[in-house]
Amino acid sequence: DGGITQSPKYLFRKEGQNVTLSCEQNLNHDAMYWYRQDPGQGLRLIYYSQIVNDFQKGDIAEGYSVSREKKESFPLTVTSAQKNPTAFYLCASTNTGGTGELFFGEGSRLTVL
Amino acid sequence: DQQVKQNSPSLSVQEGRISILNCDYTNSMFDYFLWYKKYPAEGPTFLISISSIKDKNEDGRFTVFLNKSAKHLSLHIVPSQPGDSAVYFCAASARDDKIIFGKGTRLHILP
Repeated sequence: DGGITQSPKYLFRKEGQNVTLSCEQNLNHDAMYWYRQDPGQGLRLIYYSQIVNDFQKGDIAEGYSVSREKKESFPLTVTSAQKNPTAFYLCASTNTGGTGELFFGEGSRLTVL
Repeated sequence: DQQVKQNSPSLSVQEGRISILNCDYTNSMFDYFLWYKKYPAEGPTFLISISSIKDKNEDGRFTVFLNKSAKHLSLHIVPSQPGDSAVYFCAASARDDKIIFGKGTRLHILP
């Protein structure tokens, strides 16, 4: 079945460690996005990529890094520079030039101990 | 600076009545608007959308209205059902640009 797969679903990390969240899609979508959800904050855009080997910062990119080496994959690294990394992370994809309808993964909850 | 605003954090509606969720935006370049529904610990799912060339789009119990001059849109759910209890996000996009979400409104459907 086509869709977006995020892994892991739950992740614990010690302070000072980098961690990478995986996002894979088999929808043949051009664009992929990473959002962060915090209580009362809604969905805030971290990074997005509209084409392979290219990506742009969103509204809260500091402390995060991404890569887009393949169309299907858009991993997000939460670095030790991110001041408050505990959150629910959502990956999404869509076709560029389309209607903007995003298809979301199930999310990854990161907890920093 | 919030480009998409949902000013009501929560809303309670009696089962069977109409639920109206509101959304305001500031960027006049937005040309597509969407509503998403989200349950806890899950990814949001697409509900309904509207292009800026229209003022209404209907899909079953869900209708979205767009007032471009007021930069306002609303989602109507009628009749409201218990399964509609969730957080609803309004989102907007300009063509080929990033998609911006509001903070969400938590809808409670009361028995």
